[in-house]
Amino acid sequence: QLQLQESGPGLVKYSETLSLTCSVSEASVGTSSYYWGWIRQSPGRGLEWIGSVYQSVNTYYNPSLKSRVTIPVDTSQNQFSLRLTSVTAADTAIYYCVRLYKQLRLVDSWGQGTVVTVSS
Amino acid sequence: DIQMTQSPSTLSASVGDRVTITCRASQSITTWLAWYQQRPGTAPKLLIYKASILDRGVPSRFSGSGSGTEFTLTISNLQPDDFATYFCQQSDGYSFTFGPGTKVDVK
Repeated sequence: QLQLQESGPGLVKYSETLSLTCSVSEASVGTSSYYWGWIRQSPGRGLEWIGSVYQSVNTYYNPSLKSRVTIPVDTSQNQFSLRLTSVTAADTAIYYCVRLYKQLRLVDSWGQGTVVTVSS
Repeated sequence: DIQMTQSPSTLSASVGDRVTITCRASQSITTWLAWYQQRPGTAPKLLIYKASILDRGVPSRFSGSGSGTEFTLTISNLQPDDFATYFCQQSDGYSFTFGPGTKVDVK
């Protein structure tokens, strides 16, 4: 059964870079049927799609975050990551790594989520 | 960008009730709409996709309908496990947008 597991610091300082990694088991991040991506959730912004990567090289980002986001893929480790630069308090949220089913335009698997707090 | 709204934001109900949640898109999304259920402390779980197709294992008391810009999620015979928050989601195939959520709580 597919498992997604987020890892990374729970506390990031204002203006620094948030870095998280998602480890994937029982599926390949290089598969052609799925996107892999990140969604965050906060009381102020609700559920917000951050971005997705397809076949390890094609990336799609939320326009509101595009200038600060990258989602690199490491196929050798079967992992993908999130890097969000210049963080502010507005980036405090639960971050989920997810698998998105391209053909049906839905999120079919979620990690358990990891809380990231931006501190001043 | 397509914006999603939901109503009501909170719905109070009792076990056995029939409840309906509405989701609206700012422009037509044909039937590219999904519904998710989220219980406190857990990740959202897919219930319905393409507006009306139940995901595997989802009880038949859940149903979805609609097309274009207006969609509904109906839960008939509300069960204790169903007290949760429900989100709609649209996608153009590349980007994804969620509604703000509807919390179903105990009357």
